[in-house]
Amino acid sequence: DTAVSQTPKYLVTQMGNDKSIKCEQNLGHDTMYWYKQDSKKFLKIMFSYNNKELIINETVPNRFSPKSPDKAHLNLHINSLELGDSAVYFCASSSGRTDTQYFGPGTRLTVL
Amino acid sequence: SQQGEEDPQALSIQEGENATMNCSYKTSINNLQWYRQNSGRGLVHLILIRSNEREKHSGRLRVTLDTSKKSSSLLITASRAADTASYFCATDSGGGSYIPTFGRGTSLIVHP
Repeated sequence: DTAVSQTPKYLVTQMGNDKSIKCEQNLGHDTMYWYKQDSKKFLKIMFSYNNKELIINETVPNRFSPKSPDKAHLNLHINSLELGDSAVYFCASSSGRTDTQYFGPGTRLTVL
Repeated sequence: SQQGEEDPQALSIQEGENATMNCSYKTSINNLQWYRQNSGRGLVHLILIRSNEREKHSGRLRVTLDTSKKSSSLLITASRAADTASYFCATDSGGGSYIPTFGRGTSLIVHP
């Protein structure tokens, strides 16, 4: 019954590694998002896809690469992890670009 | 700086009291949304108010929007301990951009 799910929930890794976070929504929504929430709870949008097409890319380093294999999935791959990448990453989806967003439970990434 | 700014940053009240949080933004919007985030969880949508609306209610929640002042308020009446959470406002960028932007949130603690 989970609407927006993310895996893994926690991710602890060393600097320089490459990691992926997966997101799936079963709401039939057309639009999906990735957000980064820092330690001060500031939530900033990173990417948005609409029907598998990238529509928002907010000055995120090239080390971050989203991939949408289909409308229900939006994965986030991060290369060469840095200490500053430590944060909670949230996936969200909405039926349209201005509509209510439904958030996943978040993935807490810790880079050591 | 970000589009939406919540005020106050933190609010501590007793159960039964009302809680008021404010959100100010900079550019024109299509709509404004309020979300709640419980500790360690994803965001949950509360209310969406469109730019041509002035007030909306949902249960114990009342949201107002003043586009001339570029501000919105969220009122929680008869608060409960379970209302303890962080509350965020989210705006789009107006026009056709639809880039969702969140503030840093108001941390509400309701003491039983």
